[in-house]
Amino acid sequence: DVKVTQSSRYLVKRTGEKVFLECVQDMDHENMFWYRQDPGLGLRLIYFSYDVKMKEKGDIPEGYSVSREKKERFSLILESASTNQTSMYLCASSRLAGGVHEQYFGPGTRLTVT
Amino acid sequence: KQEVTQIPAALSVPEGENLVLNCSFTDSAIYNLQWFRQDPGKGLTSLLLIQSSQREQTSGRLNASLDKSSGRSTLYIAASQPGDSATYLCAVVVGAQKLVFGQGTRLTINP
Repeated sequence: DVKVTQSSRYLVKRTGEKVFLECVQDMDHENMFWYRQDPGLGLRLIYFSYDVKMKEKGDIPEGYSVSREKKERFSLILESASTNQTSMYLCASSRLAGGVHEQYFGPGTRLTVT
Repeated sequence: KQEVTQIPAALSVPEGENLVLNCSFTDSAIYNLQWFRQDPGKGLTSLLLIQSSQREQTSGRLNASLDKSSGRSTLYIAASQPGDSATYLCAVVVGAQKLVFGQGTRLTINP
């Protein structure tokens, strides 16, 4: 079974802090994704990566950056956390196999910025 | 721009009933469609994936159909159980392996 893990289930940070959210997958997937989920807005793509050291902006990249130094690990960085970044953050991974893209999700990190 | 809509936003039915959740999308140029389940405060669990060339997929009491030409998919749940209570999300894969999600249907099965 594919396993995607996230470093924290719950996180509380203060405004202005630098925040790191870590995601690790164990299935050698090329692609990794970061989403945030908010009531009424659904899931929105922040950043994704096709390969090590590669990254692409999603729909809402402002205020975030990412790092992918190893294939299995994809980090989301909030350079200076703000209260409007309080949200549920979900990581996912996938690979192309037989023309099929299937994404597998981690358990999520509930981030509160005070 | 691809948009995905799920109706209804919430559904409450008695245990044992068969039910259908609906998903529609605006652009038929999709690679595949995925149905997910999300329990409160948790991540997403993949239920079924339908490739663009397929019409339906089945897993246990779940059956998902896809009609690309009309931009619709349905998730059929047979003999519903209280443990089926969750939010069900539909997502389509567009270019670059990106998923576009609907807002979800919050399902409650009453014992």
